[in-house]
Amino acid sequence: AQSVTQPDIHITVSEGASLELRCNYSYGATPYLFWYVQSPGQGLQLLLKYFSGDTLVQGIKGFEAEFKRSQSSFNLRKPSVHWSDAAEYFCAVGGGYQKVTFGTGTKLQVIP
Amino acid sequence: GAVVSQHPSWVICKSGTSVKIECRSLDFQATTMFWYRQFPKQSLMLMATSNEGSKATYEQGVEKDKFLINHASLTLSTLTVTSAHPEDSSFYICSAGLTGTHTEAFFGQGTRLTVV
Repeated sequence: AQSVTQPDIHITVSEGASLELRCNYSYGATPYLFWYVQSPGQGLQLLLKYFSGDTLVQGIKGFEAEFKRSQSSFNLRKPSVHWSDAAEYFCAVGGGYQKVTFGTGTKLQVIP
Repeated sequence: GAVVSQHPSWVICKSGTSVKIECRSLDFQATTMFWYRQFPKQSLMLMATSNEGSKATYEQGVEKDKFLINHASLTLSTLTVTSAHPEDSSFYICSAGLTGTHTEAFFGQGTRLTVV
């Protein structure tokens, strides 16, 4: 069965600092990997996705993620965090056809 | 990208009543849609897969008689929470995607259900 682990429940960073959110997955075949962001009371917005090819993927809002098959990881990064990035971030894995399994989420707090 | 619209955004209902939530794909056809539930401060859990023209497939532990899913057209799936109770209060969100592999799901805005 597929699963996703986000080991950090809550992360606090200073505005302008770099950010890395960790994600480890378990999947029997080549995974489709996603990062979503959710603001309080809102739906999900796709930040980026990996299907195949270049293991470093660029997303919206200056985010990027790197797929490392050997480590079963898909960590999300941003070089300089903005206050508006405060939200909950979900890593997800799927096998295509849009059905995904979500991690437990990491809540990001940004301090001035 | 493709747009998925969910309605209503929030609803309050009395215990024992039923509530219907709609999920529409606005600019594409979706033979398959998915329904997720998110309890406060928790992740999203897949409830069921909605298949156009056939019965939905429910995940283990989800009561199909309580959460009725109808996918009568290629652009609309509905989730009806029957005989709602306070423990059904949650954030429900649907998704749909374009046909084929190498595509991602597009999510609706979600519906906040509060049962009083």
